[in-house]
Amino acid sequence: DAGVTQSPTHLIKTRGQQVTLRCSPKSGHDTVSWYQQALGQGPQFIFQYYEEEERQRGNFPDRFSGHQFPNYSSELNVNALLLGDSALYLCASSWDRGSETQYFGPGTRLLVL
Amino acid sequence: AQSVTQLGSHVSVSEGALVLLRCNYSSSVPPYLFWYVQYPNQGLQLLLKYTTGATLVKGINGFEAEFKKSETSFHLTKPSAHMSDAAEYFCAVSTPSGGSYIPTFGRGTSLIVHP
Repeated sequence: DAGVTQSPTHLIKTRGQQVTLRCSPKSGHDTVSWYQQALGQGPQFIFQYYEEEERQRGNFPDRFSGHQFPNYSSELNVNALLLGDSALYLCASSWDRGSETQYFGPGTRLLVL
Repeated sequence: AQSVTQLGSHVSVSEGALVLLRCNYSSSVPPYLFWYVQYPNQGLQLLLKYTTGATLVKGINGFEAEFKKSETSFHLTKPSAHMSDAAEYFCAVSTPSGGSYIPTFGRGTSLIVHP
């Protein structure tokens, strides 16, 4: 049973560029959430997708956007990158009917220079 | 609103000693509580969770946690530390909101295990 997968594992970008991160949920899961984990911090919720719609959003600017596809996979897009966007980006999946537990992927480490 | 406080950014123990990682939460409704572990350069792995029922919850790798409503605490323990337990541990609280559950995480506690 494949768990949550994310790609790429690492990414280096420069300020002002745009980036797209990808996530495939755990088999049987239909809900995808994205988190930003800065160095030395706990994960911070960015947004959650269910039925191809953004269902909830955390305190992140509009530069952060996402998408969910019919196969439940998801993308996180960040525009106009800032140095402060450097972080580990985690994707988590869950099943809407039992959604209190989220299962995390290995993350994508983004470095903005 | 919900929040989590993890007391101690670093906890150092000797191999074989008791592990105690502290977590206090704030929630206006009955919460779900979680402990996750993060090994270097990896994602978060679920250790254990409390939803309802028995307040003493057993997880993987010999860890357990007890939900104490009166103290708003959910401390993580393990009787005997192993070198492989060295990692970052995150406590999280989750309550229903907008049809889903979004966990709020603490800042994490780094567990250091000495030989």
